[in-house]
Amino acid sequence: LAKTTQPISMDSYEGQEVNITCSHNNIATNDYITWYQQFPSQGPRFIIQGYKTKVTNEVASLFIPADRKSSTLSLPRVSLSDTAVYYCLVGDFRYSSASKIIFGSGTRLSIRP
Amino acid sequence: DADVTQTPRNRITKTGKRIMLECSQTKGHDRMYWYRQDPGLGLRLIYYSFDVKDINKGEISDGYSVSRQAQAKFSLSLESAIPNQTALYFCATSDMASGLYNEQFFGPGTRLTVL
Repeated sequence: LAKTTQPISMDSYEGQEVNITCSHNNIATNDYITWYQQFPSQGPRFIIQGYKTKVTNEVASLFIPADRKSSTLSLPRVSLSDTAVYYCLVGDFRYSSASKIIFGSGTRLSIRP
Repeated sequence: DADVTQTPRNRITKTGKRIMLECSQTKGHDRMYWYRQDPGLGLRLIYYSFDVKDINKGEISDGYSVSRQAQAKFSLSLESAIPNQTALYFCATSDMASGLYNEQFFGPGTRLTVL
């Protein structure tokens, strides 16, 4: 069971780059690393997924070192609307091991003007 | 995501009552999931279905049952509701054909209160 550890909360300011790190020491060979964003009283929204090295899309980048025991979600130039809870997940939804994927408590990111 | 709908959006019921939460999707996805979220906590997987004939228990299935009536519909039932089942319930879908294996699309949630 791939457990993840991430900071409970983080604060930043508009226009800054925010990096949220997730630790997953017992990640399995087939596991992917996925990040979700959740606003209050809404369902989580997929941000990005990666397996190794670096993945970038229109909203974020995901950095994964060679040993894959941690990962960093990078949000460039954040705005107030990026205030949310961010979840790091490790696993592979393709198989029945989907039952082993845990959302955890996430990181509560607060952006200030 | 408007393509995943949940009914009802809010429900208050009493201990011992049977209640059904419904989820429908127009995304054409084969996989559907039910989660619950307690205040200040992350989501926990209750049941998931990879297709109409494939239903699997998640992390916390005790006290719940599900029915996959069609590819587009996945219902969650509480046979005899108890107060500690008070939570926010989310339905989600995913499409393995997309290549983003862990991308799920969530509904708006159902807020359930058991008195």
